[in-house]
Amino acid sequence: NAGVTQTPKFQVLKTGQSMTLQCAQDMNHEYMSWYRQDPGMGLRLIHYSVGAGITDQGEVPNGYNVSRSTTEDFPLRLLSAAPSQTSVYFCASRPQGHGYTFGSGTRLTVV
Amino acid sequence: KQEVTQIPAALSVPEGENLVLNCSFTDSAIYNLQWFRQDPGKGLTSLLLIQSSQREQTSGRLNASLDKSSGRSTLYIAASQPGDSATYLCAVHTGNQFYFGTGTSLTVIP
Repeated sequence: NAGVTQTPKFQVLKTGQSMTLQCAQDMNHEYMSWYRQDPGMGLRLIHYSVGAGITDQGEVPNGYNVSRSTTEDFPLRLLSAAPSQTSVYFCASRPQGHGYTFGSGTRLTVV
Repeated sequence: KQEVTQIPAALSVPEGENLVLNCSFTDSAIYNLQWFRQDPGKGLTSLLLIQSSQREQTSGRLNASLDKSSGRSTLYIAASQPGDSATYLCAVHTGNQFYFGTGTSLTVIP
């Protein structure tokens, strides 16, 4: 099993550009989530999904969109990048009733 | 909203010492609690998961305890080694979400 795979690992965007962060898991986990990690603020939930076709907002959803067309994939879209979205983004998945497995992260810089 | 606090924010100990990391949470209605390790510039690695019905979990030199009624969990590391240096995060599963503390940065000095 590859676990949770995130691409790209690093990305630099200009303000106003859009992009998609990719996340894929091969463990058949129902639950998938996107977090952002900022110094001094810990991990904050952006969006999550409890299964294919079902998504919901977390603590900091503004400026981000998600979709879950398959169990395996959960992409995160930045609609119009802003410097405040400079962060490290983590995707995680888990089966119901169990803990999370995290991807290795995407380090995003918006200039 | 669940609030998760980890104190201290940073800890430095000599090699070989036994140590305890603390995690407290405000809402005792939890499903489970998970401890992670994060190395600089890396992702989170799961260490232990404690279900709400459990009191503790052990893996090698690590032992995590859970006291739901008092809103506390501790991570005990026995015989610390320089390779244990990392940031340790706890996450509390409440409702549909996991809430994370800001972590304890541990340095083990050879």
